[in-house]
Amino acid sequence: EAQVTQNPRYLITVTGKKLTVTCSQNMNHEYMSWYRQDPGLGLRQIYYSMNVEVTDKGDVPEGYKVSRKEKRNFPLILESPSPNQTSLYFCASRETPQGAGETQYFGPGTRLLVL
Amino acid sequence: AQTVTQSQPEMSVQEAETVTLSCTYDTSENNYYLFWYKQPPSRQMILVIRQEAYKQQNATENRFSVNFQKAAKSFSLKISDSQLGDTAMYFCAFMKPGLGWLQGAQKLVFGQGTRLTINP
Repeated sequence: EAQVTQNPRYLITVTGKKLTVTCSQNMNHEYMSWYRQDPGLGLRQIYYSMNVEVTDKGDVPEGYKVSRKEKRNFPLILESPSPNQTSLYFCASRETPQGAGETQYFGPGTRLLVL
Repeated sequence: AQTVTQSQPEMSVQEAETVTLSCTYDTSENNYYLFWYKQPPSRQMILVIRQEAYKQQNATENRFSVNFQKAAKSFSLKISDSQLGDTAMYFCAFMKPGLGWLQGAQKLVFGQGTRLTINP
């Protein structure tokens, strides 16, 4: 079954404690991205990756890092989380970076609370 | 930069009624794609319907249809015979196609969302 998985699904942490949210896809997709969802703002892109070792900033990258060492995995790293990073996070993938008409697959979401 | 606006933060209708969710967008592109996503309480993002801008015919998927007005930059979603399971947050989204690797990746640009409640 084609899917994007994220872990953990829920996370409560404290300010400054480094954390990683994992994302994995089983479809051999080139393109992967991270979004955050906040009330009244919709989903905004944090970072994206066009392929292994190719990553770039999205619209709201401050406070986040990513890596793409393997095609299937695209972890999101918060090195020093702050309360304004409390949000719902989605990982997504699609076959190619330019494929606007392609189906974009979303993970189940990670609810993060930073105290 | 492209923007997507959903002007109805919340809507509520009775089961079996028809409801229309509004979406407008701003772009200078001539070719692009528009989407409606549904996010039920499970928070999963589910693609409801997709429209290609160069296709004049409005897309339909069972009870879901769109009214795509390219000149007005409007893309509304109509849900007919609404069901309790349609209760969800609905997001309108825009994406333009890329022209090649050097142009980089194309991203989905989302609206703010409309929370739709179907009442029994």
